[in-house]
Amino acid sequence: GIQVEQSPPDLILQEGANSTLRCNFSDSVNNLQWFHQNPWGQLINLFYIPSGTKQNGRLSATTVATERYSLLYISSSQTTDSGVYFCAVQGVGGGSNYKLTFGKGTLLTVNP
Amino acid sequence: EAGVAQSPRYKIIEKRQSVAFWCNPISGHATLYWYQQILGQGPKLLIQFQNNGVVDDSQLPKDRFSAERLKGVDSTLKIQPAKLEDSAVYLCASSKYNEQFFGPGTRLTVL
Repeated sequence: GIQVEQSPPDLILQEGANSTLRCNFSDSVNNLQWFHQNPWGQLINLFYIPSGTKQNGRLSATTVATERYSLLYISSSQTTDSGVYFCAVQGVGGGSNYKLTFGKGTLLTVNP
Repeated sequence: EAGVAQSPRYKIIEKRQSVAFWCNPISGHATLYWYQQILGQGPKLLIQFQNNGVVDDSQLPKDRFSAERLKGVDSTLKIQPAKLEDSAVYLCASSKYNEQFFGPGTRLTVL
């Protein structure tokens, strides 16, 4: 099935700093989603972005489908941004590629 | 618009007991998914329904796990009998097209 690699695995920031999270995937995709899992375990949808660029407040994301990677940018980070950020992809075609496959996540800690 | 609802939020059982989880998807979402998330890992798909039919259950341990979505709306996931390694968060998600939306999850502890 499709492989998803996220980097870095851990990231510690001071409040106000900017950061970039990366997601590499091994095959063509028709779905790519970024999620934030808060300390209570809830998966919050950040972006549905199989290609192109989107922005939502302090967060933005870019997916370059031809080069098989996506980037999540967090600007002016706040303590409430802490948690695990997951990239999940769904490949084209059938078989195991069609499942929404998650990376291992990036654990972000924002200190005051 | 109401999100995906799940209950209970927490459950503690002893091994070999049975447990059931309930999920109500977002209204109008034909596709429903159950995921298992073990601590420190990303969610893993257990089963996918399209309306009341099973699309994919290849990663469901069928000797102990079962799931149903009889009327094409809400769904239940059952574990019988539970093992220690079933301790995890069980997440339900739904979608109308490609984008999936997740419920708050049920945290299961098997002692």
